[in-house]
Amino acid sequence: DIQMTQSPSTLSASVGDRVTITCRASQSISSWLAWYQQKPGKAPKLLIYKASSLESGVPSRFSGSGSGTEFTLTISSLQPDDFATYYCQQYNSYSTFGPGTKVDIK
Amino acid sequence: QVQLVQSGAEVKKPGASVKVSCKASGYTFTSYGISWVRQAPGQGLEWMGWISAYNGNTNYAQKLQGRVTMTTDTSTSTAYMELRSLRSDDTAVYYCARAEPYGSGSCFDYWGQGTLVTVSS
Repeated sequence: DIQMTQSPSTLSASVGDRVTITCRASQSISSWLAWYQQKPGKAPKLLIYKASSLESGVPSRFSGSGSGTEFTLTISSLQPDDFATYYCQQYNSYSTFGPGTKVDIK
Repeated sequence: QVQLVQSGAEVKKPGASVKVSCKASGYTFTSYGISWVRQAPGQGLEWMGWISAYNGNTNYAQKLQGRVTMTTDTSTSTAYMELRSLRSDDTAVYYCARAEPYGSGSCFDYWGQGTLVTVSS
């Protein structure tokens, strides 16, 4: 099974900050990686697919990069609506989610 | 618009079974698959498995093999997930999500609202 790790597990930031979250896979997954945002009591929302493709309707301040085993999600200027938990997901072989990164207010 | 509407919350005793439904609308059901993902209280997301609404093929997470069955009813555009021999650590919110139709490796662009399953004696 492919294992996913994320860092950091928690990130404290302010509105306007540039935020970067890292996701690593235990083996190469090419570009088969997605990022989701989840708020309390809600279903996850797809932000990025195929490592760097922005899902329709998602603000352009979100971007993804990477391939192989190392990936990043960047929020260029953090907005109040962005405080949430972010998960990466590999879908190269079945599916595995990372443990999540909680972005909270500094 | 695409919608996945799940059945309501369930309370079950250990050893019992639960069957959660997921009714799809707003797209051609048989052109996609459905994956199931669960989330224990305060925990992360766990992929449970996938079913193709196109041909009925399934893939299940290894840890749930033998306890989970996923089915579809194409006449009503509804997917089902049945989990048997419930344990307390099966307590979670269960989500259905739209997936690719041909293989279980897929990201999920639409999600149901979630169904809380509580396992307690």
